[in-house]
Amino acid sequence: EVQLVESGGGLVQPGRSLRLSCTASGFTFGDYAMSWFRQAPGKGLEWVGFIRSKAYGGTTEYAASVKGRFTISRDDSKSIAYLQMNSLKTEDTAVYYCTRVSVYSFDYWGQGTLVTVSS
Amino acid sequence: QSALTQPASVSGSPGQSITISCTGTSSDVGGYNYVSWYQQHPGKAPKLMIYDVSNRPSGVSNRFSGSKSGNTASLTISGLQAEDEADYYCTSYRSSSTPWVFGGGTKLTVL
Repeated sequence: EVQLVESGGGLVQPGRSLRLSCTASGFTFGDYAMSWFRQAPGKGLEWVGFIRSKAYGGTTEYAASVKGRFTISRDDSKSIAYLQMNSLKTEDTAVYYCTRVSVYSFDYWGQGTLVTVSS
Repeated sequence: QSALTQPASVSGSPGQSITISCTGTSSDVGGYNYVSWYQQHPGKAPKLMIYDVSNRPSGVSNRFSGSKSGNTASLTISGLQAEDEADYYCTSYRSSSTPWVFGGGTKLTVL
């Protein structure tokens, strides 16, 4: 059974950093691209970025709203994807989801982890 | 403002059919057969319902179907059930440094 479990969320002050983890199981993690989404309270889904599998260079792409502040990485030996968030702003407050990328869609989602940016 | 346009809300009675539209451009919806749809119940993670315009993942009810015409994709739910009440999001792949665009979501109410 495919499972994705996010962790690392919490309350953080503006300008600080936070790293989220997405621990995967039930599939060969290294074979898949992984993506992060977020959802601000009462708002719709927002794509944050994704990381390709090593077979496709392991490169990353980001939404304009987070480019230069957020970094996605992966450790295939541990089946973990990371979202490093720097220079956090109050508008980054959201539930963050990690997903598995299946070609052109997102076929499995974690349960989400809440990040609150507030002083 | 979302790149793909969805109606904010739709409603229907149990047993009826409803259709949710998702309008983009020739650079996304119209240019690729990579539209997918997600269902999200309150407080829950989204769930993939349709991929590649009209394909259902294993385990998704055949009451859910997808289609596309030009720059507009559609999700149809037939035989509405109370459990279908949720938010629905569409997305499309596009050839860009930001490879996916999303709709703003549609709230489905089962009357």
